[in-house]
Amino acid sequence: AQSVTQLGSHVSVSEGALVLLRCNYSSSVPPYLFWYVQYPNQGLQLLLKYTSAATLVKGINGFEAEFKKSETSFHLTKPSAHMSDAAEYFCAVRWAGANNLFFGTGTRLTVIP
Amino acid sequence: DGGITQSPKYLFRKEGQNVTLSCEQNLNHDAMYWYRQDPGQGLRLIYYSQIVNDFQKGDIAEGYSVSREKKESFPLTVTSAQKNPTAFYLCASSRRGHTDTQYFGPGTRLTVL
Repeated sequence: AQSVTQLGSHVSVSEGALVLLRCNYSSSVPPYLFWYVQYPNQGLQLLLKYTSAATLVKGINGFEAEFKKSETSFHLTKPSAHMSDAAEYFCAVRWAGANNLFFGTGTRLTVIP
Repeated sequence: DGGITQSPKYLFRKEGQNVTLSCEQNLNHDAMYWYRQDPGQGLRLIYYSQIVNDFQKGDIAEGYSVSREKKESFPLTVTSAQKNPTAFYLCASSRRGHTDTQYFGPGTRLTVL
């Protein structure tokens, strides 16, 4: 069955440190891939998306993600964490031929001062 | 300002009662979605609608019902048949054919006592 997996339900980093949030998908056909962010008690906001153009995708707030077909991954990174980055991050996919997004279980990012 | 509104933000109901969650958008989007969010499970699709007067079941439609009589509105009814209704409910919308970029409302937290 097709699935999207986010490794680590909680990630803590120090302010100024590298942020790395992991996302892997299971499919022989690369899907469309997305990262959404959810701040406390709010809805989700699109951070970035991969739609088969450049494999390195830049998003808002300094985040970027790299699509690696050989690893079936789409990890989210940011070189230097800021306190305002504390939120929950969701990886999502749209499989070929599907009309909807399928979300991972989310990773809660904590930034330590 | 364009956006999606969900009301109320917090809702309490007694077990066995039906309850309707409101979702309104003024983005002129054709497609609208309802998701349920539970801790550690990410978002799961309940129902979606690509156009007025048409809607489809998502992954967890049992115990829920929707209507789409107007483009701007997509109310969700949580019926007494839903075995575990306490959750955070998120509504989203997108341009037709642009499922990838969904705009989310702030959510309604439903607690069934």
